[in-house]
Amino acid sequence: DVKVTQSSRYLVKRTGEKVFLECVQDMDHENMFWYRQDPGLGLRLIYFSYDVKMKEKGDIPEGYSVSREKKERFSLILESASTNQTSMYLCASSLAGGGYTFGSGTRLTVV
Amino acid sequence: AQTVTQSQPEMSVQEAETVTLSCTYDTSESDYYLFWYKQPPSRQMILVIRQEAYKQQNATENRFSVNFQKAAKSFSLKISDSQLGDAAMYFCAYRNLNQAGTALIFGKGTTLSVSS
Repeated sequence: DVKVTQSSRYLVKRTGEKVFLECVQDMDHENMFWYRQDPGLGLRLIYFSYDVKMKEKGDIPEGYSVSREKKERFSLILESASTNQTSMYLCASSLAGGGYTFGSGTRLTVV
Repeated sequence: AQTVTQSQPEMSVQEAETVTLSCTYDTSESDYYLFWYKQPPSRQMILVIRQEAYKQQNATENRFSVNFQKAAKSFSLKISDSQLGDAAMYFCAYRNLNQAGTALIFGKGTTLSVSS
């Protein structure tokens, strides 16, 4: 069964901390994505990557960065966590042009 | 820029009945995919159905079917014989095929409740 695995289901971090959210896929997909999901706002794209070491900004990249050193792993980094980054974070992967396979999400709370 | 609109924030249906969720989108492209995803309370997003824009025939997956109206840019999801397990948030999504490295664009979702 194909999988996208997010390292943490729940995280609580303090304001100002550097936070790493990890995502690993085992499907040899070229594309990987990070979204945040907030009530009433749906899914908003933060960053995506269509190849190793490549990254593209999405709709809301401010306050975030990403790293993709290997094809299977795509990390989302909050350089200095703030309370307005409290959210559900969803990772997904896909072949070029296809539908997504999603991870189970990380609910991040910044206090 | 492409947009996806789901005009029904909430819908409800009784078990065994049929419900239709609406979705409209805006694009100037001719080649694209449309999707419906389901997110139950467990929050794992699951692909429900996919439609290629070049196909005139509406996609069907068991109790789930779509009404794809390309000229009207409409893509509704019909759930027949609704079950309690269908209760979830449903997202409509669009993906352009003409550009390399594109992402899905999602609507804001419709929360479906199912009563017995």
